[in-house]
Amino acid sequence: GQQLNQSPQSMFIQEGEDVSMNCTSSSIFNTWLWYKQDPGEGPVLLIALYKAGELTSNGRLTAQFGITRKDSFLNISASIPSDVGIYFCAGQLDGGTSYGKLTFGQGTILTVHP
Amino acid sequence: EAQVTQNPRYLITVTGKKLTVTCSQNMNHEYMSWYRQDPGLGLRQIYYSMNVEVTDKGDVPEGYKVSRKEKRNFPLILESPSPNQTSLYFCASSSGQWNQPQHFGDGTRLSIL
Repeated sequence: GQQLNQSPQSMFIQEGEDVSMNCTSSSIFNTWLWYKQDPGEGPVLLIALYKAGELTSNGRLTAQFGITRKDSFLNISASIPSDVGIYFCAGQLDGGTSYGKLTFGQGTILTVHP
Repeated sequence: EAQVTQNPRYLITVTGKKLTVTCSQNMNHEYMSWYRQDPGLGLRQIYYSMNVEVTDKGDVPEGYKVSRKEKRNFPLILESPSPNQTSLYFCASSSGQWNQPQHFGDGTRLSIL
């Protein structure tokens, strides 16, 4: 199946710092999604990207859909302790027999020190 | 409240003993899916369903079965569980429209001894 490489695997930062993580794929996707998972819970959608080149913000979060459709990044500005968690990218092909298949990256574990 | 409900949340069982993890959603969603989450591997899709009586394999379907007899329920069946199926399992649903995201349940932690 398709593979998503997400990096970094983990980050330890100080409160107030900015964070950047990215995902790359060997195949193209038509939709890129970024999820956050808190301990003991299911992933929650942060940002969805539907067009190549699209740049979307959600509060302190900004994500971009790479122009080649094979990559995406997520930035978090001015991190706070509640940003702690695991962040996942996910790619989806739309339409045809591929619709419905969602491929996730390995996750980035974020730790924020007060 | 819109939600995806999985049961049980935790289960410890033994190799070969058939088990079913239930998933129910109250949002009238057409699309439902099962994932397993393992350290360092992220979430991997097991099976998904585009609508009632329509199911398809994800990336890791071996050893699992699903059924979609009604819209709200999508049970995951392990006919003969093995230790390599010890994992954290998530069910998700969405409306099925291309631009609508999936909503995840809170997970089921299975331990197969």
